Amino acid sequence: DADVTQTPRNRITKTGKRIMLECSQTKGHDRMYWYRQDPGLGLRLIYYSFDVKDINKGEISDGYSVSRQAQAKFSLSLESAIPNQTALYFCATSEGRSTQYFGPGTRLLVL
Amino acid sequence: AQKITQTQPGMFVQEKEAVTLDCTYDTSDPSYGLFWYKQPSSGEMIFLIYQGSYDQQNATEGRYSLNFQKARKSANLVISASQLGDSAMYFCAMRVVISSGSARQLTFGSGTQLTVLP
Repeated sequence: DADVTQTPRNRITKTGKRIMLECSQTKGHDRMYWYRQDPGLGLRLIYYSFDVKDINKGEISDGYSVSRQAQAKFSLSLESAIPNQTALYFCATSEGRSTQYFGPGTRLLVL
Repeated sequence: AQKITQTQPGMFVQEKEAVTLDCTYDTSDPSYGLFWYKQPSSGEMIFLIYQGSYDQQNATEGRYSLNFQKARKSANLVISASQLGDSAMYFCAMRVVISSGSARQLTFGSGTQLTVLP
């Protein structure tokens, strides 16, 4: 089984809808991250969490919110989706400052 | 400014030959880490290799090696004996200090699309 899983893997939604992307990990890492990737660009950090009670905004947090329900679970919400949030979303985990390991990604299309 | 630059949008290499993917970085933090990730067409991000700023030797992982030239602020990825399965997008990333405190985050370059020709 994969160490970092994301659900759903693909999602199509309409403008204005609320959606949630979920991430789970079995690596036992304390830190979790959400990134988005747009064509021609590298990954950009949306939010990160160093433990259950620690949530921090990343480079591009506007329009997003997160919840760290447990050490192993970190979800990303789009309260009111808009077309320019169409992207590939990645969850990642790390133990402290060590290497980040990524989930398989969620492809989101906002119509 | 803390930045990663990959100047090669696309590269071609013949199967079984070596290829170098360029990465330059800019940071004022004396302690930093450099990473390479591979993204095949299926989309997942696969960690390849890591180099710490204080590491004395260049990192190697199988067919991957990192040519770390600290004075030039470059961290090029060398893939030896290219295989068809190496065709993918490759991202260079740097772990840098976040301005709000001591926490660090990864910042990514724009990637290089490598195509291995049979």
